[in-house]
Amino acid sequence: AQRVTQPEKLLSVFKGAPVELKCNYSYSGSPELFWYVQYSRQRLQLLLRHISRESIKGFTADLNKGETSFHLKKPFAQEEDSAMYYCALTSTSYGKLTFGQGTILTVHP
Amino acid sequence: EPEVTQTPSHQVTQMGQEVILRCVPISNHLYFYWYRQILGQKVEFLVSFYNNEISEKSEIFDDQFSVERPDGSNFTLKIRSTKLEDSAMYFCARRTVEKLFFGSGTQLSVL
Repeated sequence: AQRVTQPEKLLSVFKGAPVELKCNYSYSGSPELFWYVQYSRQRLQLLLRHISRESIKGFTADLNKGETSFHLKKPFAQEEDSAMYYCALTSTSYGKLTFGQGTILTVHP
Repeated sequence: EPEVTQTPSHQVTQMGQEVILRCVPISNHLYFYWYRQILGQKVEFLVSFYNNEISEKSEIFDDQFSVERPDGSNFTLKIRSTKLEDSAMYFCARRTVEKLFFGSGTQLSVL
């Protein structure tokens, strides 16, 4: 069974501080991991995909298979980063996504 | 990139009534999905639809639910006899190899 755990429901940091949103997963095969973001009153949109190994809006995430984690990091948080962040997993390219519970990030000025 | 459009944005219905939620994805895409999010809970997979057939469904997607693509364009989710616990935000999505594109959602309230 696929499972994604985001242990923090709420995370608050000050502008310019580093931020890390935690994500752990459970899956026996080789999963594909994503981070989705939902800004206030906007739709869910893809932030990062582990396969592409890119940095979007200063965010990075490294898949650690040993620890089954895919934590999202940014060295200097900005106020516009305040949003709901979801970690998600799929087992196949067109398969269903299993989402974590989400973490609300608030970046204070 | 082209967006997925969902209608209506809000739907209020009485318990036991049928509702149809609509999604207008790009007509030449084959993979579509419905997800829902009950207030305060995580986004949950309902069903995936490929080439006009259900390819996978969750335990939530029981006999009360059905999906169709009746005119080759609109993609609908029907709930035959709504229950209070069906109140949620329902998201339609389409998939490319790289990512899932979500609609803005339909907020369903069952009274």
